[in-house]
Amino acid sequence: KAGVTQTPRYLIKTRGQQVTLSCSPISGHRSVSWYQQTPGQGLQFLFEYFSETQRNKGNFPGRFSGRQFSNSRSEMNVSTLELGDSALYLCASSSERDEQFFGPGTRLTVL
Amino acid sequence: LAKTTQPISMDSYEGQEVNITCSHNNIATNDYITWYQQFPSQGPRFIIQGYKTKVTNEVASLFIPADRKSSTLSLPRVSLSDTAVYYCLVGEGYGQNFVFGPGTRLSVLP
Repeated sequence: KAGVTQTPRYLIKTRGQQVTLSCSPISGHRSVSWYQQTPGQGLQFLFEYFSETQRNKGNFPGRFSGRQFSNSRSEMNVSTLELGDSALYLCASSSERDEQFFGPGTRLTVL
Repeated sequence: LAKTTQPISMDSYEGQEVNITCSHNNIATNDYITWYQQFPSQGPRFIIQGYKTKVTNEVASLFIPADRKSSTLSLPRVSLSDTAVYYCLVGEGYGQNFVFGPGTRLSVLP
């Protein structure tokens, strides 16, 4: 079956702009998690959605938000972009206690 | 959330067995231990998951002592393509309980 897909793969924005990233989980998976990965901070958990509800949230400012649709696809939005938001944003889907399957990520560069 | 501690880096040679140990002193009763592998610019890839004793699959083994305060990932006969960062995670298996540490950067040398 198809893996987790993320779009776009690469994105360049300028400070102050906003961005929306998309994630399509593996068919049948209802849990979608988002992570930010930077060389300095490593992989950090952003939030997790399950059946259209945010189930938990990491320690990120309110500029980072997300949502999940009825087909389990998820989007995350970052408003008022800062230079420090440049990172690889990873989405992972899972089916209850099963392993998380990660997508290839979206590489965001903020200039 | 249970925190994990692993060596920052390890070197090995092709064909050797590599053992990476992870400490998780405050693991909770419901927590599982999961290992992921990550290559540059790719998302982490699941390797193995276990709760206690020993788990083996086609790519690795996971050894967990009775007190569950540590675990060891064993990679048999590594090859150059096993050069990657390996993360040990402890949690209930859902995204919200996973805390990624810095991982162990394994370098396999010819």
